[in-house]
Amino acid sequence: DGGITQSPKYLFRKEGQNVTLSCEQNLNHDAMYWYRQDPGQGLRLIYYSQIVNDFQKGDIAEGYSVSREKKESFPLTVTSAQKNPTAFYLCASSPGTSGSSYNEQFFGPGTRLTVL
Amino acid sequence: QKEVEQDPGPLSVPEGAIVSLNCTYSNSAFQYFMWYRQYSRKGPELLMYTYSSGNKEDGRFTAQVDKSSKYISLFIRDSQPSDSATYLCAMYISSGSARQLTFGSGTQLTVLP
Repeated sequence: DGGITQSPKYLFRKEGQNVTLSCEQNLNHDAMYWYRQDPGQGLRLIYYSQIVNDFQKGDIAEGYSVSREKKESFPLTVTSAQKNPTAFYLCASSPGTSGSSYNEQFFGPGTRLTVL
Repeated sequence: QKEVEQDPGPLSVPEGAIVSLNCTYSNSAFQYFMWYRQYSRKGPELLMYTYSSGNKEDGRFTAQVDKSSKYISLFIRDSQPSDSATYLCAMYISSGSARQLTFGSGTQLTVLP
């Protein structure tokens, strides 16, 4: 089955700890994205990556870090500098970003992070 | 002012009703318009997309774009309890770096049996 997997499904963190959320895709997509979803605020872009070993900040990158060492993997680290990390985190991928054709983003099942 | 505005609801309708979900936007450069459906505690899934103005139909779903008014709609005919979910509009400009999606805040829909 092709798709996007995220782990863990639920994650609890103590204040002051860094945690890493996993995102893997086997769709052979070039681009990958991380979003944060809070109630009533829709999805906000944290980081995105168009190719391996390259990534860009989104609208709310402060307190987060990412890496893209492999095409299929795009882990997100929530650092202790993120002041309000409790949220639902969604990873997405899309075939590519070149050209002007339609480019659908496919989403994973999400990770719910709670800071205790 | 947000680039994309969407009424958060919640919206409750009886089974069989026609549902109208709407978004307005401020950036006239948006070219692609999408509707995602998100069930509780799940990732969003794409329902429909449209390019430029006009209507697009897929089964019980119709997406409508009016670029002159900067207004998009999703209509659901013969609504079913299984349609109960949060519906997110999204849009993007096809040129530029990663064609980032800009999302509305989502409308929570409940279809009552």
